[in-house]
Amino acid sequence: QSVLTQPPSVSGAPGQGVTISCTGSSSNIGAGYDVHWYQQLPGTAPKLLIYGNNNRPSGVPDRISGSKSGTSASLAITGLQAEDEADYYCQSFDNSLSGFHVFGTGTKVTVL
Amino acid sequence: EVQLVESGGGLVQPGGSLRLSCAVSGFTFDGYAMHWVRQAPGKGLEWVSGISWNSGGIGYADSVKGRFTISRDNAKNSLYLQMNSLRTEDTAFYFCVRRAVTVVPSSIYFDYWGQGTLVTVSS
Repeated sequence: QSVLTQPPSVSGAPGQGVTISCTGSSSNIGAGYDVHWYQQLPGTAPKLLIYGNNNRPSGVPDRISGSKSGTSASLAITGLQAEDEADYYCQSFDNSLSGFHVFGTGTKVTVL
Repeated sequence: EVQLVESGGGLVQPGGSLRLSCAVSGFTFDGYAMHWVRQAPGKGLEWVSGISWNSGGIGYADSVKGRFTISRDNAKNSLYLQMNSLRTEDTAFYFCVRRAVTVVPSSIYFDYWGQGTLVTVSS
């Protein structure tokens, strides 16, 4: 059961922007642990998209950005392109009794 | 090029056992902690287990604790997951993932993923 909550879906027209939220609690994001984001294209393995709240691995375009505040984080995609249509997951660490590495519930991005 | 290739998945009856393997190449295996993450068909990601570079630190999700055992063989550049007492809810794609090396203790993430191997638990 995921402890990080994301909206099930977001959508936007090509060229527009979307934002995906990731809501946690005081035992994970609010405890100071960084948030990371993964993109999963249909039928493929997840790929690291953002690490350390707002850092992009090489090859990830700068129209993709991340932020973190309090017990939440966000992923923003501007200038939507067809290839952005995918599932997106946030991830952090949880220091509660049953915690460890935790993922968000996942968000499907649809390019209209 | 970093590569992680899982194998060992398949169909098993409830209560049965399966051993997954992950063969890695393209990096110094004994320099990294490794993990298993699973994804039930059409569902989200769930962390399963992780092991430190020297096997000195091991962790499990509550959902698999006592049933699954993670191990590694640095000489063979391989990661394993022994799965016993399998349940229907263990049906999922199992991904072998590399934990990134970071200098910030509060920043723990996975920088490379294998393609996954499907485990189906069904009678």
